[in-house]
Amino acid sequence: GQSLEQPSEVTAVEGAIVQINCTYQTSGFYGLSWYQQHDGGAPTFLSYNALDGLEETGRFSSFLSRSDSYGYLLLQELQMKDSASYFCAVRDRGNTDKLIFGTGTRLQVFP
Amino acid sequence: SQTIHQWPATLVQPVGSPLSLECTVEGTSNPNLYWYRQAAGRGLQLLFYSVGIGQISSEVPQNLSASRPQDRQFILSSKKLLLSDSGFYLCAWSLQDTQYFGPGTRLTVL
Repeated sequence: GQSLEQPSEVTAVEGAIVQINCTYQTSGFYGLSWYQQHDGGAPTFLSYNALDGLEETGRFSSFLSRSDSYGYLLLQELQMKDSASYFCAVRDRGNTDKLIFGTGTRLQVFP
Repeated sequence: SQTIHQWPATLVQPVGSPLSLECTVEGTSNPNLYWYRQAAGRGLQLLFYSVGIGQISSEVPQNLSASRPQDRQFILSSKKLLLSDSGFYLCAWSLQDTQYFGPGTRLTVL
């Protein structure tokens, strides 16, 4: 079957660094995405990795290792507003934009 | 710029009643469209996706259906709601490798 595994919850304090891991098992692979969702809101796109390595966007970075079927989202200089759920998602087919989403990681940032 | 609308924002319906949720996209043509459901504290479950008018693919068997009567309109329906249909329903459109979500409809079936 196809699955994406993430830790269910992560806690950290303001200013800290947090890494949220994602391991995937899919029939195909065309890229790993990360989405952020605040309570009661809709998911918003954060990053996308199609190739191995680290992609940096401000305080957030995303890493992919295709050989390990593994990626992570790195959040630096944590702020209270970063408290949210974070989902990894895999595009498993080249001919559609369909995504398979992980179960999500709830990040709580404390002062 | 592109925007995506969903309505209503919240809905409380009795078991056995019909359902119609609407999603419209502005600022893009022939988008791929998606309906997701999210149970409280859970991940996103893809229900339907559409690559064009009248083209609907169902991802999971259930008592819901979807239709795409116009290029930028996507409708989720049910003839008879079940308690298990409660959840947060999200419509999305995609551009290459990014999906853009609407504000969602929170449905409670009593």
